[in-house]
Amino acid sequence: DIQMTQSPSSLSASVGDRVTITCRAAQNISNYLNWFQQLPGKAPKLLIYAASHLQVGFPSRISGGGSGTVFTLTIDNLQPEDFATYYCQQSYSTPPFTFGQGTTLEI
Amino acid sequence: QVQLVESGGGLVKPGGSRRLSCAASGFAFSDYYMSWIRQAPGKGLEWISYISPDGNTKYYADSVKGRFTISRDNAKKSLYLQMNSLRAEDTAVYYCVGQVDYWGQGTLVTVSS
Repeated sequence: DIQMTQSPSSLSASVGDRVTITCRAAQNISNYLNWFQQLPGKAPKLLIYAASHLQVGFPSRISGGGSGTVFTLTIDNLQPEDFATYYCQQSYSTPPFTFGQGTTLEI
Repeated sequence: QVQLVESGGGLVKPGGSRRLSCAASGFAFSDYYMSWIRQAPGKGLEWISYISPDGNTKYYADSVKGRFTISRDNAKKSLYLQMNSLRAEDTAVYYCVGQVDYWGQGTLVTVSS
């Protein structure tokens, strides 16, 4: 199984800040990396797929990058609706499609 | 619009069984691989099972292998998870997921005596 490690596990920030979350894969997964946003009490939503492609409906101040084993999720000009938990997931080759442990973004 | 609606959750005794269902609409269900993903209370997401679009290929997480069975009925646009020999650590919200794009609202399974 491919282990995914996110950092930090929690992050305090303010409206207007820029934040970056990092996700590391235990082996090369090319760009088979997805990011999900989970608001409290809600189901997760796909945020970014294939490492850098922003899902329709999300603002362009959210971006993803990286390939191979190191990936980043960056949110510029933080807004109140961005405070949530973020998960990375690898979808390389065959399952299990493992998740990172999550990063909670708090005010 | 796309909808995935899970059902079948509830309180189950340890060692018991439960069958979850997921009704899909608004997308080409038979073209999508489907997964079950769960989230224990206050914890992160755990991928537990996958089924190919034609239903012939299935994968399971080690934590559920031999106890859970995934299946689908493309004619009914439905996904299922048969859960046997349930344990306290299986307590979680179970999400039905279409590839990575589409998520249901989840159904809570509580395993407790």
